[in-house]
Amino acid sequence: AQRVTQPEKLLSVFKGAPVELKCNYSYSGSPELFWYVQYSRQRLQLLLRHISRESIKGFTADLNKGETSFHLKKPFAQEEDSAMYYCALKPPANQGGKLIFGQGTELSVKP
Amino acid sequence: SQTIHQWPATLVQPVGSPLSLECTVEGTSNPNLYWYRQAAGRGLQLLFYSVGIGQISSEVPQNLSASRPQDRQFILSSKKLLLSDSGFYLCAGDRLSTEAFFGQGTRLTVV
Repeated sequence: AQRVTQPEKLLSVFKGAPVELKCNYSYSGSPELFWYVQYSRQRLQLLLRHISRESIKGFTADLNKGETSFHLKKPFAQEEDSAMYYCALKPPANQGGKLIFGQGTELSVKP
Repeated sequence: SQTIHQWPATLVQPVGSPLSLECTVEGTSNPNLYWYRQAAGRGLQLLFYSVGIGQISSEVPQNLSASRPQDRQFILSSKKLLLSDSGFYLCAGDRLSTEAFFGQGTRLTVV
């Protein structure tokens, strides 16, 4: 069964420190992987997706199929990065196509 | 752009009363629609998934049901609420290769 695991419920770092939010998935095929973010009092929104291979707000995420991981990284955290981050997996449409989320990691960036 | 209208934002209901939460979609047609429950430490748990009118997939056994009477309308219901139904419910949508879009969520408290 498909599953997304985010082992850290809370990650607290100081401003300017590097940050890595871990995400591991279990799926036998080739899913699409996403990171979604929820800032305080805002709706969930897409941060980035693996197929676009771009950096958004200084964040990057590399899909490692061997380790089935899609960790989110930023070299220098900012206070405005404080938010709830969700890793998500979506199989191809012909294999169910349901969007599945991990447990979420709350990132707190301290001044 | 796609938008989900979800209401109400907060709801307090007595045990044993019925429930109806509605979300409607604007800006796209034929979306996949989802109901999630968001719980602290448990992330976004998928409750129901729909690929079209009248097509509902139930992901977890529970006291709730869902219906999709129109292409852009998705309803979460219960005939008799339990205390354990309290939580934060989130409606979401996506299409084949697009990012997901989310409602504002409903905080349900069963008393």
